[in-house]
Amino acid sequence: GAVVSQHPSWVICKSGTSVKIECRSLDFQATTMFWYRQFPKQSLMLMATSNEGSKATYEQGVEKDKFLINHASLTLSTLTVTSAHPEDSSFYICSAIPLAGGREQFFGPGTRLTVL
Amino acid sequence: SQQGEEDPQALSIQEGENATMNCSYKTSINNLQWYRQNSGRGLVHLILIRSNEREKHSGRLRVTLDTSKKSSSLLITASRAADTASYFCATDGDSWGKLQFGAGTQVVVTP
Repeated sequence: GAVVSQHPSWVICKSGTSVKIECRSLDFQATTMFWYRQFPKQSLMLMATSNEGSKATYEQGVEKDKFLINHASLTLSTLTVTSAHPEDSSFYICSAIPLAGGREQFFGPGTRLTVL
Repeated sequence: SQQGEEDPQALSIQEGENATMNCSYKTSINNLQWYRQNSGRGLVHLILIRSNEREKHSGRLRVTLDTSKKSSSLLITASRAADTASYFCATDGDSWGKLQFGAGTQVVVTP
């Protein structure tokens, strides 16, 4: 089956530092990946659409300069949280749509970010 | 913004009972999907129902879709303790691939 991995699975950082989260499609190629954020006991909120070879598109209210997205290849998208603050602490989940397939998305296991 | 509203927010049942949860949405859709999430983990895709379908089955899962009422339901029959999780509906609308998630239903199945 289609597998998506995320690295790291959890990270703790100090306020003001930047954190990079990787999302990889392991056994398929994906031109489109999505980044979601989930606060405790809440639903997933779409942050941005990551497009291979072009700029990401961000949802309303998401700061593109704070959440940098790079989709450098057909199997890798990265999300960098710049100058992280405690309010950025959250569960970040990515998903990917196979290049050769329908609309079904495959989700990564998520990354727990804690900013002290 | 969240598309779907789910009810109930929480559901506690015993093993062997059925669990039913509902999802309502606001805009037109191409399909509606249901996911399961165990605490602190990623999402597991359960079932996808297209806008021209009314009912779909997968194992112990039964999903219905009523596009006139903009609502869907997920039924889990003969529940097991392993079904304990949060369940989310997600709609796939006009923007290709963008999913709008409902608030989720937290299901607890006690042995």
